[in-house]
Amino acid sequence: ETGVTQSPTHLIKTRGQQVTLRCSSQSGHNTVSWYQQALGQGPQFIFQYYREEENGRGNFPPRFSGLQFPNYSSELNVNALELDDSALYLCASSLGTYGQAPISYEQYFGPGTRLTVT
Amino acid sequence: AQKITQTQPGMFVQEKEAVTLDCTYDTSDPSYGLFWYKQPSSGEMIFLIYQGSYDQQNATEGRYSLNFQKARKSANLVISASQLGDSAMYFCAIKETSYDKVIFGPGTSLSVIP
Repeated sequence: ETGVTQSPTHLIKTRGQQVTLRCSSQSGHNTVSWYQQALGQGPQFIFQYYREEENGRGNFPPRFSGLQFPNYSSELNVNALELDDSALYLCASSLGTYGQAPISYEQYFGPGTRLTVT
Repeated sequence: AQKITQTQPGMFVQEKEAVTLDCTYDTSDPSYGLFWYKQPSSGEMIFLIYQGSYDQQNATEGRYSLNFQKARKSANLVISASQLGDSAMYFCAIKETSYDKVIFGPGTSLSVIP
């Protein structure tokens, strides 16, 4: 086990609703990245939080937002849910080494939250 | 252009045999890291191996080794002595120093046959 936890495990929401997903990072890690993984595809980067600030964002609309707390845990919020938001949402924690060569840059993933939008 | 290309959607290997999973990448950043992850049907993403662009030797971790050919922009994963528990999706990924994100390929599904 990696020590990264996510809640809830599964979630069913209706189109138009809002959802909050939670992630607790591994002890000692200051960075959390969120990914969306649609069925049969590789994970797509949503955004990353480093020391409570957003530190990079993928090609996702503003209705995807996040927070990182002083203990480095994080939330992913999705507003106005659409059917295409149905996916496995993965968070990964790491020790940031920005602006430097990525020496042994290891991300440890949580088990994921499976979101179904109906 | 795709950052990470994995041309084998599905692979089969006999138990105890070796298998190579292909990965090619596209970057102009001189400094980057390459990763392989395993994702079983349960969904968790398991880190397997890392190769830095400046590393002189190919990375190895137990039964996993990375065949890094920098000039060809290739980072193939070799699994030796395949086990039934190796059946899973395998993802190649890249992190460039210039960008604070890891980009994953589409994955290769590996099935180990008894």
